Amino acid sequence: QVQLQESGPGLVKPSETLSLTCTVSGGSISGYYWSWIRQSPGKGLEWIGYIYYSGSTNYNPSLASRVSMSVDTSKNQFSLRLSSVTAADTAVYYCTRDRRDGYNYVDYWGQGTLVTVSS
Amino acid sequence: DIVMTQSPLSLPVTLGEPASISCRSSQSLLYSNGHNYVDWYLQKPGQSPQLIIYLASNRASGVPDRFSGSGSGTDFTLKISRVEAEDVGVYYCMQPLETPWTFGQGTKVEIK
Repeated sequence: QVQLQESGPGLVKPSETLSLTCTVSGGSISGYYWSWIRQSPGKGLEWIGYIYYSGSTNYNPSLASRVSMSVDTSKNQFSLRLSSVTAADTAVYYCTRDRRDGYNYVDYWGQGTLVTVSS
Repeated sequence: DIVMTQSPLSLPVTLGEPASISCRSSQSLLYSNGHNYVDWYLQKPGQSPQLIIYLASNRASGVPDRFSGSGSGTDFTLKISRVEAEDVGVYYCMQPLETPWTFGQGTKVEIK
């Protein structure tokens, strides 16, 4: 059974960079698409972007200027960086595994990690 | 972006009774391969969302057959034939046709 676990600081100061890592266990990161999705009371569920195991990426245009993702296949991990954060970036951040082979759905979710942006 | 609009946003239901949630998209989710690209997810209290339905009408592995999805184009429906206590939570539709993938606002299902 594939499991995903988010890790990273729960508190980030305004204007700084949010950094999260997702560790995948029970399966290989190779061959799949991996996304970050966040959930806030104000905006509901928002897809941030995905990274393919090869390193190719696709970001939500609304966040693209501030987002970068990377993957480390040797550690079975992928990461999110979101720069210049504001209070509006406060949310629960989920890492997910996606199927994008014509079926297209999220089949595994991490438990989520709350990130609060505050000084 | 494709906008997904759900209704109702709150749905009190009686145990054993049917329930229905509507999801409308701002553009057609019917692709040239004949599939409608709508997924349904359930977020139970304190948990992450979980897949219930994909491609509008296909139940995910392990999902009880009391759940069914239907619709085509821009109008979709999730039905629960007989609501059980474990079905409470927030239901979301999502379109995985175009990036960015987008979600509906969610429908909170609770027991009367």
